[in-house]
Parts: sequence; C-alpha cells; structure tokens
Amino acid sequence: DSGVTQTPKHLITATGQRVTLRCSPRSGDLSVYWYQQSLDQGLQFLIQYYNGEERAKGNILERFSAQQFPDLHSELNLSSLELGDSALYFCASSVESWGEKLFFGSGTQLSVL
Amino acid sequence: AQTVTQSQPEMSVQEAETVTLSCTYDTSESDYYLFWYKQPPSRQMILVIRQEAYKQQNATENRFSVNFQKAAKSFSLKISDSQLGDAAMYFCAYRTTSGAGKSTFGDGTTLTVKP
Repeated sequence: DSGVTQTPKHLITATGQRVTLRCSPRSGDLSVYWYQQSLDQGLQFLIQYYNGEERAKGNILERFSAQQFPDLHSELNLSSLELGDSALYFCASSVESWGEKLFFGSGTQLSVL
Repeated sequence: AQTVTQSQPEMSVQEAETVTLSCTYDTSESDYYLFWYKQPPSRQMILVIRQEAYKQQNATENRFSVNFQKAAKSFSLKISDSQLGDAAMYFCAYRTTSGAGKSTFGDGTTLTVKP
C-alpha cells in the first residue's frame, strides 16, 4: 500500500458527461500529480500541484481541470467526456515539489460509453 | 523535449534466471533522475529503483540493478533470480532535476516469468 488513496476505483459514464476523480496523498506529501494511462498514449503526465498551487502542466485537455485543496487532497474534473477519454487515471504524491520519489495510487478506471 | 524509449514490448524469463530490460532516453540536460517502475496486474505503480545521473555508481536494490551508461543515454534494468511475482509491466521514466516534477515514461515492457 503506497498510502495514496484514489476514489472511485471504477467509473462508468456516458459521452458528454462530467466526472470528478479524487485523490488523497500520503500523509506529509505536499505534491500531487495526475497521470493518464491509455493503450494508445501510454502514461501521460497531466498536471501537478504543490501545496495548493499549480506547479506544472502537461498534456491536459482544456475540458479537464484539477485543483488541490487546503487539506492537500486533489480532484481531477473531466467534462464533456468523449470515448477517447476512457483510460486509467493515476494520482501520485511526493514530499517535494520536484517529485524525487513518486508514490502512486491504484488508479481510477474510467470507461466512457 | 525529453523522450524515453523501451524497445522491447515483451520479454520472458525462466524462474530463477536473469533478465535485462532495455531503456534509452534523449535529453540535453546533464543532471536528472532515472527510474524503473513496476506495474503488476493490480495496476499499482511501484517504484523499483532510482538512479541519479551525477552518480557513476549503478544503483542496486536487492535482486534489481541497473546499468547506467550516461554517454550512451542508456538505462537498463537487470532482474536476477527472477520470481513469479516479478511478472508485470515495467516502465522506465526520466525526470529533470530542475523545475517541477514532471516525469516522462516509456511505453513499458511486459515481463512474463515462466515456472
């Protein structure tokens, strides 16, 4: 167990809908990272937050947004969902802002039908 | 931009034998970190080993070791005395030491361990 908690584990929804994925980092970790893992794109970095502030942005679509709350948990919001958004979404956390060691959650499997 | 390439989509090894997974990367930076992560069927991403580019000594973690060739931009993972529990997808990853903690991952190598 990495100490990173992601909910829900599975999510099935329809195209055009909006969903929220939740992540609680390890106790004491200030950084949260979101990754998307799909068969055709591999593991792609989406966005990073450090102590509530956005620190780095990767290949994140405009339909997606994220935030980190004062208690350090993070949410990834996906809207206007398309079939191609079906993927495994990982959250990871680290103590530092530069992510020397990432600890991953078990992921949220999103299926868009 | 940094890229990470794993040229072996699939590898297999006999239990108790040794296997080497390959990884090459491209970067213009001189200082960075390299990682190997394991993703078993449970989907959990687990850090296997880490190498700092400024260290010439290859990292070792029990049965796992790396062969880091900085000039060649190569970072292979050797698994000794392979066990059935080593069966997983293995990802090579690169991260710069400057700026934020974005890691770039390879496409992964699926390792099968035969009893």
